[in-house]
Amino acid sequence: QSALTQPASVSGSPGQSITISCTGSSSDVGSYVLVSWFQQHPGKAPKLLIYEDSGRPSGVSSRFSGSKSGNTASLTISGLQPEDEADYYCCSYAGDITFYVFGTGTKVTVL
Amino acid sequence: QITLKESGPTLVKPTQTLTLTCSFSGFSLSTSGVAVGWIRQPPGKALEWLALIYWDDDKNYSPSLKSRLAITEDTSKNQVVLTLTNVGPVDTATYFCAHLYGGYGGANAFDVWGPGTMVTVSS
Repeated sequence: QSALTQPASVSGSPGQSITISCTGSSSDVGSYVLVSWFQQHPGKAPKLLIYEDSGRPSGVSSRFSGSKSGNTASLTISGLQPEDEADYYCCSYAGDITFYVFGTGTKVTVL
Repeated sequence: QITLKESGPTLVKPTQTLTLTCSFSGFSLSTSGVAVGWIRQPPGKALEWLALIYWDDDKNYSPSLKSRLAITEDTSKNQVVLTLTNVGPVDTATYFCAHLYGGYGGANAFDVWGPGTMVTVSS
């Protein structure tokens, strides 16, 4: 199974908004409302930011939002803060053969 | 509060079998909709989903690793065990276990993760 495609890096200045894309196919991202997004700081476990395309767990800042159009999901971080500097991964359910697939990961740099 | 923690060897020789244990608390793997998954991450690389076991003992595996993976549960001990046979250097990674709840009101995503355990495959 192929990993979902994410840009290798995205950067922005404090206070700005950035968007990370996650491109899959009609077999995964485009077929299920089951895209999730994770934030991972160096040496730490991933943290769930978004579930079911656009749901936000309690305790996650409203600055993080998820959306989807066709086979591409997106994570938007508004009001960028220094602590947002981390790696970000998307994940999608991909049916009863592949099950789950993660994205290639995006490094976010706060300038 | 849901917590998970991985344990196992830090060094494994090529061709050996790797056995990892995920010990969890704060939930029961007997509850409808609950699952525990394993995900790994080679140094400096992306996350890779490996396996998932559900409350009803249904099991899913990554197609590319299916022939080498096995996931089991010990409900009485609140543990999930992952075995990976015939390991090689490419299996060097941090291995994470994570909770998933697909029932009513659940996130249907890996919502709580263990801290991970680093495994090196080398002779």
